[in-house]
Amino acid sequence: GAVVSQHPSRVICKSGTSVKIECRSLDFQATTMFWYRQFPKQSLMLMATSNEGSKATYEQGVEKDKFLINHASLTLSTLTVTSAHPEDSSFYICSARVQNTDTQYFGPGTRLTVL
Amino acid sequence: GDSVTQMEGPVTLSEEAFLTINCTYTATGYPSLFWYVQYPGEGLQLLLKATKADDKGSNKGFEATYRKETTSFHLEKGSVQVSDSAVYFCAYGNTGNQFYFGTGTSLTVIP
Repeated sequence: GAVVSQHPSRVICKSGTSVKIECRSLDFQATTMFWYRQFPKQSLMLMATSNEGSKATYEQGVEKDKFLINHASLTLSTLTVTSAHPEDSSFYICSARVQNTDTQYFGPGTRLTVL
Repeated sequence: GDSVTQMEGPVTLSEEAFLTINCTYTATGYPSLFWYVQYPGEGLQLLLKATKADDKGSNKGFEATYRKETTSFHLEKGSVQVSDSAVYFCAYGNTGNQFYFGTGTSLTVIP
């Protein structure tokens, strides 16, 4: 149980294009989903927290107009990187959590490369 | 503020050696404590957790005990295998939206 999927697992795009990453909780309802970014050999950096049906809460320094997050259902959240640039290249990981529980379950990550 | 401090790596061990990865935390309240493992190119997998003081989490031969008096949650395994090579993250969280990760410790086990 508690499986989280991400799609795509890997994407390469040209500079200036937008990329959408999906995060799904497959066997539970996730009232809260989190989006992280991970640079090589570093820990995870929380980008934003999204609650189903509400606007996402972004961490300081994360541009909400660049990283659009939608959490339209209890099993799906999407992260759209708008007008991507090479510096946006990174490993993006989502996690999901059931309401009033403490454990986050992570997706397998999406490797974004912007040329 | 709240934080997690984790033993820096990288750590290289021979197969069947004993493993300890130290983790200490500072927290307000009474969080749950976690160890996650990340294999190359993958996301994080929950390895074990403990929800209150003196609880011991265990999985796949790994153990960690929630020590409130020393604010620690050290990860141990008696005999590591090559397949244990990965990055290990200590973390703490609660039912709110606060979740703190350590910096990760890279473990390489050589045959």
